Amino acid sequence: GENVEQHPSTLSVQEGDSAVIKCTYSDSASNYFPWYKQELGKRPQLIIDIRSNVGEKKDQRIAVTLNKTAKHFSLHITETQPEDSAVYFCAASTHGQNFVFGPGTRLSVLP
Amino acid sequence: DVKVTQSSRYLVKRTGEKVFLECVQDMDHENMFWYRQDPGLGLRLIYFSYDVKMKEKGDIPEGYSVSREKKERFSLILESASTNQTSMYLCAWGFYNEQFFGPGTRLTVL
Repeated sequence: GENVEQHPSTLSVQEGDSAVIKCTYSDSASNYFPWYKQELGKRPQLIIDIRSNVGEKKDQRIAVTLNKTAKHFSLHITETQPEDSAVYFCAASTHGQNFVFGPGTRLSVLP
Repeated sequence: DVKVTQSSRYLVKRTGEKVFLECVQDMDHENMFWYRQDPGLGLRLIYFSYDVKMKEKGDIPEGYSVSREKKERFSLILESASTNQTSMYLCAWGFYNEQFFGPGTRLTVL
């Protein structure tokens, strides 16, 4: 079955710096890769996603890149702000079924 | 705006008790999922359902069962709760590729 690894497990950056979180997956059939943000005490919420027919997607300060050959995808947050502090989860699925999540990255943005 | 509700935010049960966790979505969507969330392990799929009376095992179904008698309601059942089932349980519904999560139930088994 699919296995998703995520690094780093914790990440601290200064406000205004960039943050990068990386995930790898094992199943070449996976074709949908969402990223979720979970603030303390709240539910995970989708922030950005990418499908396997696209190499990069950007939405304001966040972007995701996908390398299908290497089976890895990354979340990039630029100009980080304190409200970006949260746990971020990557996931991989095949046609929106059987989501497999990474273990999460706790991002702290220091003022 | 679709809403997913879970019956309790916090629940404390004793070892051996039968536990029901309820999840209700207010739209006519077929796909529903149950996850448990543990520190360092992320979200792990327990069971999912793509239609009424249909259920499929996820990655960690042992010790759990589910019930989907109506499209809007997907219940997770712990037949005999054990301390290693202390966790945060998240219900989700899916629409095309996206998943939307409920608020979660933090279950403690003593």
